[in-house]
Amino acid sequence: RKEVEQDPGPFNVPEGATVAFNCTYSNSASQSFFWYRQDCRKEPKLLMSVYSSGNEDGRFTAQLNRASQYISLLIRDSKLSDSATYLCVVNDYGQNFVFGPGTRLSVLP
Amino acid sequence: DAGVTQSPTHLIKTRGQQVTLRCSPKSGHDTVSWYQQALGQGPQFIFQYYEEEERQRGNFPDRFSGHQFPNYSSELNVNALLLGDSALYLCASSLGWDGGYTFGSGTRLTVV
Repeated sequence: RKEVEQDPGPFNVPEGATVAFNCTYSNSASQSFFWYRQDCRKEPKLLMSVYSSGNEDGRFTAQLNRASQYISLLIRDSKLSDSATYLCVVNDYGQNFVFGPGTRLSVLP
Repeated sequence: DAGVTQSPTHLIKTRGQQVTLRCSPKSGHDTVSWYQQALGQGPQFIFQYYEEEERQRGNFPDRFSGHQFPNYSSELNVNALLLGDSALYLCASSLGWDGGYTFGSGTRLTVV
């Protein structure tokens, strides 16, 4: 089993839609969780950290369920500019960041 | 405040050759991690350098080696290049082991 798994995608959604990405991780000792966004042929950029209490940043909401080892990202009112690959990232304290394979999102006009 | 800079941006090499990629971390960061990202996949951890030593290593062969200099910059060396080494090589810097990563824009290596 891979350390971090994500929805295979791609997701093709119309503008204005709500889309949810799911991620599971295998290491129960994982401490930190993040969502990164990667545009085509660009480097990954931090979208948001994920906290146990859940956190929201504008149209983006991230949630963590430690018991189920599950992380989610919800994007509301999708924009064309949201089209990118979304990478789930898990970090064990003092260890390296482990990336999921990513889920590609295309927001269509 | 400069972010992470990598050089070169693109590189074409022949099988069997050796390559050196370079990374300057973000100002204030002391830890450098290298990742390999093949097309359509997530980044895979190669190794991490802290205090000029390799602190962790992923599942990559010994053909992949690195170095960190006193100014925290780092190099990734790959010997005996294979076609399968073609990928985007990303450098990420952080403050300490679990600080947030800042990525450079990467070096796209093509092995022919």
